[in-house]
Amino acid sequence: ETGVTQSPTHLIKTRGQQVTLRCSSQSGHNTVSWYQQALGQGPQFIFQYYREEENGRGNFPPRFSGLQFPNYSSELNVNALELDDSALYLCASSALLGGEETQYFGPGTRLLVL
Amino acid sequence: QQQVKQSPQSLIVQKGGISIINCAYENTAFDYFPWYQQFPGKGPALLIAIRPDVSEKKEGRFTISFNKSAKQFSLHIMDSQPGDSATYFCAASPLSGYSTLTFGKGTMLLVSP
Repeated sequence: ETGVTQSPTHLIKTRGQQVTLRCSSQSGHNTVSWYQQALGQGPQFIFQYYREEENGRGNFPPRFSGLQFPNYSSELNVNALELDDSALYLCASSALLGGEETQYFGPGTRLLVL
Repeated sequence: QQQVKQSPQSLIVQKGGISIINCAYENTAFDYFPWYQQFPGKGPALLIAIRPDVSEKKEGRFTISFNKSAKQFSLHIMDSQPGDSATYFCAASPLSGYSTLTFGKGTMLLVSP
């Protein structure tokens, strides 16, 4: 177990709705990254937060947004859900120690958009 | 644009055999190459990682081989066991401070008893 937790584990929404996914980082980790993993694909980077500021963003539209809180927990918000948003959403926490960074993934939230 | 290409897509190996998964990358800024193992219903778990200043790294039954000039790296699983049956992802990132991972599409490994 990595110590990274995510909630909920599963979620069903309809097209056009909004969703919020939550992640609690591993203790001592001040960076969180979110990834989208479509069925049968590798995870794709959505964005990263470091000390509550967005630190980088992948090729995802603005309707994907996030927050990081002072305790380093994080949220991923998706507005105007589309069918293609159905995927496993993973968060990963990490810390830079001695020049090395390792990302530890949570179990993910499985989102189904109908 | 797929920056990390992984092959094969699936692999069946007999128990005790060697499993080999290959990856190739394009971005010369990449300098950190981890492999992740993912079981159904779970998040990816770090297996082993390498930097390009070494050509090989071994941890137990898992070995990464790295060829910087060819921009290729591979995972070898020696003495493969049924418990190794999982999906394996190679990834790459620039190791300049905080970085993001670019993943391959994954290899589904089945180790037959």
